[in-house]
Amino acid sequence: QVQVVDSGGGVVQPGRSLRLSCAASGFNFSNYGMEWVRQAPGKGLEWVAVIWYDGSSKYYAESVKGRFTISRDNSRNTLYLQMNSLRVEDTAVYYCARWAGDYWGQGTLVTVSS
Amino acid sequence: DVVMTQSPLSLPVTLGQPASISCRSSQSLVYSDGNTYLHWFHQRPGQSPRRLIYKVSNRDSGVPDRFSGSGSGTDFTLKISRVEAEDVGIYYCLQGTHWPRTFGQGTKVEIK
Repeated sequence: QVQVVDSGGGVVQPGRSLRLSCAASGFNFSNYGMEWVRQAPGKGLEWVAVIWYDGSSKYYAESVKGRFTISRDNSRNTLYLQMNSLRVEDTAVYYCARWAGDYWGQGTLVTVSS
Repeated sequence: DVVMTQSPLSLPVTLGQPASISCRSSQSLVYSDGNTYLHWFHQRPGQSPRRLIYKVSNRDSGVPDRFSGSGSGTDFTLKISRVEAEDVGIYYCLQGTHWPRTFGQGTKVEIK
C-alpha cells in the first residue's frame, strides 16, 4: 500500500538549518510529483513547495522562497526539504504529500526557537 | 496569489442532517487543459489531512457517497448529505490550478 513517512523535524535556533526527509513506498515514486505542506500550531494548512516527478520543475510559496529548497532522489524513493535561515514563524508540522495531496505523511514537527 | 475564501468558518451540525461548505476563489480555477483543479480535504484532530474530493466533484477511493462536490469557475461547494459523528473536524479547499497552490482558511465542523 502507498506510504509516505516524514522525518527530520526537531528544535532549531533561528537562523539555523534543518533538512526534512520523506520516504515513499508502495508506488512508483519516480512517476509522481511530490509536495510539502505545513501547519503552524493551531492554524490552517499552508502549501510550501512542489517538485515535478523528474525534478525538472519546482515551485515555492512566497514565504519560503529563497530559503527552502525541495529536492528528490528517485533512486532512494525519497523527497527532501532543505530549510535554511529558519525563522520563528516557520514553526509547524511539516507534511509531505503525493501530487495534489492524495496521500500524506504523518507529519514532522519543526520548532524554531532560541 | 489566488485567495481561497471558505464559509462558514464554523459549522455546528445535527447528526443525520445535511451540511454544506462554500469555497470561493479570487480567480477562475479553470486550467488551460479544461480541468478545474479544486480539491477538498478533511482533517480530524491530531491527524494528517485526507483528500475527499478531487477536481471539483470526484470522490477519492473509500470516501463515503454522502460526500459530494460541485461548482465551477470561482464558486465551489462541499456537501455532506447526512452528517455522521466521524465527520467532525476541519475541512479545507485547495486550488491546484495556479502557482502557488493555496488553501482555504478551513471550516470547523462540530456536532451540536
